[in-house]
Amino acid sequence: AQSVTQLGSHVSVSEGALVLLRCNYSSSVPPYLFWYVQYPNQGLQLLLKYTSAATLVKGINGFEAEFKKSETSFHLTKPSAHMSDAAEYFCAVSGPTGGFKTIFGAGTRLFVKA
Amino acid sequence: GAGVSQSPRYKVAKRGQDVALRCDPISGHVSLFWYQQALGQGPEFLTYFQNEAQLDKSGLPSDRFFAERPEGSVSTLKIQRTQQEDSAVYLCASSPDLRGEQYFGPGTRLTVT
Repeated sequence: AQSVTQLGSHVSVSEGALVLLRCNYSSSVPPYLFWYVQYPNQGLQLLLKYTSAATLVKGINGFEAEFKKSETSFHLTKPSAHMSDAAEYFCAVSGPTGGFKTIFGAGTRLFVKA
Repeated sequence: GAGVSQSPRYKVAKRGQDVALRCDPISGHVSLFWYQQALGQGPEFLTYFQNEAQLDKSGLPSDRFFAERPEGSVSTLKIQRTQQEDSAVYLCASSPDLRGEQYFGPGTRLTVT
């Protein structure tokens, strides 16, 4: 069965610092991978997705993630944090072997300090 | 255009009552997903539909949970004989296809007292 592990339930960075949110997946074949963001009192929205094309995926708001099959990882990065990046971030995995049941990680809350 | 809408936004039910939660997907989206999100947790998959066909319901916690999408558009998640452990936010998402981005609604917060 597919699964997702997000390392660190809380991450705190200073404004302007690198953001690194970790995600590892478990799947017998390369799955589809997603990062979603949930701002306070808002619904989830997609940041980026990997569906077996380029391994380095660029998303909205300056975020990107790299699919590393050898490490079964899909870590999310942003070179310079902004106060508006403070939110909850979820990594998710789906397909192709598990049907399209989407499994979410527990989430990482990002705090950005001035 | 209009996004995914869910109603009601908040529902308080006494233990043992039945509830029905509605999801209106984005027009033309063939895939529809339901999730349960407990406080401080990630969304937990419940079920998904491709048009009117329910392709996977393995995440439904018990036979008290039932979902339908009879005409391939609006979907209803029904919970019978609610229990306190059913208290959560129920999220609906739609997608133009099963592999693509899911567009989430604002959720229905269910509190069972």
